[in-house]
Amino acid sequence: DAGVTQSPTHLIKTRGQQVTLRCSPKSGHDTVSWYQQALGQGPQFIFQYYEEEERQRGNFPDRFSGHQFPNYSSELNVNALLLGDSALYLCASSSTTGLYEQYFGPGTRLTVT
Amino acid sequence: ILNVEQSPQSLHVQEGDSTNFTCSFPSSNFYALHWYRWETAKSPEALFVMTLNGDEKKKGRISATLNTKEGYSYLYIKGSQPEDSATYLCAFVADSGGSNYKLTFGKGTLLTVNP
Repeated sequence: DAGVTQSPTHLIKTRGQQVTLRCSPKSGHDTVSWYQQALGQGPQFIFQYYEEEERQRGNFPDRFSGHQFPNYSSELNVNALLLGDSALYLCASSSTTGLYEQYFGPGTRLTVT
Repeated sequence: ILNVEQSPQSLHVQEGDSTNFTCSFPSSNFYALHWYRWETAKSPEALFVMTLNGDEKKKGRISATLNTKEGYSYLYIKGSQPEDSATYLCAFVADSGGSNYKLTFGKGTLLTVNP
């Protein structure tokens, strides 16, 4: 079992560009949550996807959007990148029958210049 | 806005020392508390999920306690080893009345164990 995987590992983008980050959940998991960890902060909840729909959302602007595919993998899209979007983006997967088990991927490091 | 605080922010101990850190969270609307161990460039590793007031969990040399009435959890490491060096994160889950399960993290405690 590969666990939760994320791609790419690192990414450098310019202000104003758009970026797509990807996450494959742990086998058997159907729910994917995305978190942003800015420097010196704890991870902050962005949104959660279940059954290909956004189920709940944190306090992030509409520039942050996502998608979940029928195989439960997920994408996080950020439009009109700002310098402040530079952060580590973490994906967590879980199952609706085992919500306590929240498994994390290693993250994608996004740098906006 | 939920406030989850961890202290200390960082900690340096010698190999063999025992240590502990604190996670403070809202004392109302509690559902669960998670502890994670996070080494640089790796995925956060789940240590404990605690759900009941008075819960005590143990995994090898690491243990945790939970007090939901006063809103705190302690993580203890007995006989610290250099491989225990990591950031320890706690995450609070509020009771949302449904299946919405969202982790609200503290900023973490960075533990460095010197050989």
